[in-house]
Amino acid sequence: NAGVMQNPRHLVRRRGQEARLRCSPMKGHSHVYWYRQLPEEGLKFMVYLQKENIIDESGMPKERFSAEFPKEGPSILRIQQVVRGDSAAYFCASSPVRQANQETQYFGPGTRLLVL
Amino acid sequence: KQEVTQIPAALSVPEGENLVLNCSFTDSAIYNLQWFRQDPGKGLTSLLLIQSSQREQTSGRLNASLDKSSGRSTLYIAASQPGDSATYLCAVKTGANNLFFGTGTRLTVIP
Repeated sequence: NAGVMQNPRHLVRRRGQEARLRCSPMKGHSHVYWYRQLPEEGLKFMVYLQKENIIDESGMPKERFSAEFPKEGPSILRIQQVVRGDSAAYFCASSPVRQANQETQYFGPGTRLLVL
Repeated sequence: KQEVTQIPAALSVPEGENLVLNCSFTDSAIYNLQWFRQDPGKGLTSLLLIQSSQREQTSGRLNASLDKSSGRSTLYIAASQPGDSATYLCAVKTGANNLFFGTGTRLTVIP
């Protein structure tokens, strides 16, 4: 059973470009979470999705950021018109359907975004 | 709002020593608490998960305790090894859908 997969592992963008980060949850998991880790800071929650639904986006910046988890395919975190302050490690985690509150979240290796 | 604090921020010990990492949280209404390990440039590896009804969990040389009423958890590492060098993160799950993370303790075990 493959773990949570994220790609790309490293992404370099110039200011104003778009960044697309992909996350494939573990097999059988239908809950996906995105976190951001700024340099020298702890992980901060961004968004929680189930298939085709955004459940909680309270941690996501109101502008330029969006997330989706379609019926088929990976979850996508999209950052439009990137700025230098978006440079960070973005982690995806997944958990099973059953008893989500009691289950651990399984983390992917992260995507390290660098904005030049 | 839930806030998670980890002390110390960094710790350096000689190989073979036992050590304790501390985690405190401000809101005791949690579902569970997890300890993770993060290696440089890598993702997070879950070490131990303690449900809110539990007091401790053990895995090998690791033991984590939880005192929900006082908002504290400790991670005890016995007989430390150089391979234990990493950043250790504490995270709590509340009624919301996400984990609240501390900023971590960076551990260095000196051979």
